[in-house]
Amino acid sequence: DAKTTQPNSMESNEEEPVHLPCNHSTISGTDYIHWYRQLPSQGPEYVIHGLTSNVNNRMASLAIAEDRKSSTLILHRATLRDAAVYYCILEGGGADGLTFGKGTHLIIQP
Amino acid sequence: DTEVTQTPKHLVMGMTNKKSLKCEQHMGHRAMYWYKQKAKKPPELMFVYSYEKLSINESVPSRFSPECPNSSLLNLHLHALQPEDSALYLCASSQGRGRHGYTFGSGTRLTVV
Repeated sequence: DAKTTQPNSMESNEEEPVHLPCNHSTISGTDYIHWYRQLPSQGPEYVIHGLTSNVNNRMASLAIAEDRKSSTLILHRATLRDAAVYYCILEGGGADGLTFGKGTHLIIQP
Repeated sequence: DTEVTQTPKHLVMGMTNKKSLKCEQHMGHRAMYWYKQKAKKPPELMFVYSYEKLSINESVPSRFSPECPNSSLLNLHLHALQPEDSALYLCASSQGRGRHGYTFGSGTRLTVV
């Protein structure tokens, strides 16, 4: 599986936008880019995914670079409940499961 | 129903015990997965079932035995576990590559004593 690189941790203030970066320079043309988050003592929660175009949903936006070697998860207005570990994962061919990296620990300051 | 349900939520077992973890989904997802997560680490893939057949076994010891009785159920049978097997065991399901995100259960917190 192609690997992703994320900062270990990021800090932001409540009610401000948050931009979480992810590098995936070895992405293949058919890999989907997924984002999940995990709160303490809970299972990972799907946030958003995309292939080539930017995507928006009720939780977040996903901005994908034109060369697809990087992407950014955007939380438009952070709340304390957004404090979690955020994982950027590439989904390859078949039903092979998702391979998690270390993720980014997002800290939200009140 | 848009959930993956895992039971039990907590389990304490001795090293000579036999127990089973259960996972259920009614979303019609064709693939189901078992993950293991140690404290402060990311989830690690253990098994993948696709159309009720085991398609991936990530070199998991034989003391972990998966079973998929039907398209909605996934079990993980445990026998002769070691204390280092204590972890959060997560089940997930998916509809197919790229179509939707994966849905994860809240996990079973297993402690081996």
